[in-house]
Amino acid sequence: DAGVIQSPRHEVTEMGQEVTLRCKPISGHNSLFWYRQTMMRGLELLIYFNNNVPIDDSGMPEDRFSAKMPNASFSTLKIQPSEPRDSAVYFCASSLVGNQPQHFGDGTRLSIL
Amino acid sequence: GDSVTQMEGPVTLSEEAFLTINCTYTATGYPSLFWYVQYPGEGLQLLLKATKADDKGSNKGFEATYRKETTSFHLEKGSVQVSDSAVYFCALSPNYGGSQGNLIFGKGTKLSVKP
Repeated sequence: DAGVIQSPRHEVTEMGQEVTLRCKPISGHNSLFWYRQTMMRGLELLIYFNNNVPIDDSGMPEDRFSAKMPNASFSTLKIQPSEPRDSAVYFCASSLVGNQPQHFGDGTRLSIL
Repeated sequence: GDSVTQMEGPVTLSEEAFLTINCTYTATGYPSLFWYVQYPGEGLQLLLKATKADDKGSNKGFEATYRKETTSFHLEKGSVQVSDSAVYFCALSPNYGGSQGNLIFGKGTKLSVKP
C-alpha cells in the first residue's frame, strides 16, 4: 500500500516567493494533518482536517500560511510570501478518525533564502 | 495547556545496553499516550501506544507503561541495537480513547547506538 506522499521532497526558493507543498493521504483515511519541524521549536501541528473540513488551524503561524483540502485525496499548504524563518521540514500525516495511528509522509525540506 | 516533556538528548549507548527515555506529560482529562520514532530522512512512525492508565504498550522490544499517578510514559528497551539509532518522540492525544484529532509532541530525544 502506498503511504502518505508529499511533494516536493526538497524546495529551495527566494524570500518573497510563493511556495506550495502537496500531500496525498493514504486512501480511505479521513483525517489529515500538517506539521512543521524545526530544531528550535520541535514538531508543531499547523492545521488538521476531518473529512476535508478544517477542524483546528490555531497552529498556523500567520496569514501568510493557508491550507486547503479540496477532496479526500489531496491537500496543499501554501506560504505567500515566504520568509527565511519559514525554513523547516513540513510533514503531512493522515489517519482514520478515532483510535488509529497517524501515518507520516517523508516530509518536504523547505529552504527560503 | 496540555504538554509533553521528554529528556533532552543526545543519548549515546553501546550496543546491548539498557535504554530509558523519560517522558512526562501535563493534560486535563485522560489523554492517550504514544511513542513515535523518526529515522534519518524519514517521517515519524508509530512505535507504541497506550490509551488508558496502567496500559503497557510494546513493539520491537520497546515498551512503555502509562502511569497516571506520576503522569509518565517512559520508553524502555532491554538491549539496544545499532539499528535503533533514531529520534524518539513522546506524544499525547488530549482526547480520551485515543482519538488522534490533535497530537502534542515532545521535542524528541536523539539516540545513537555504537557497535
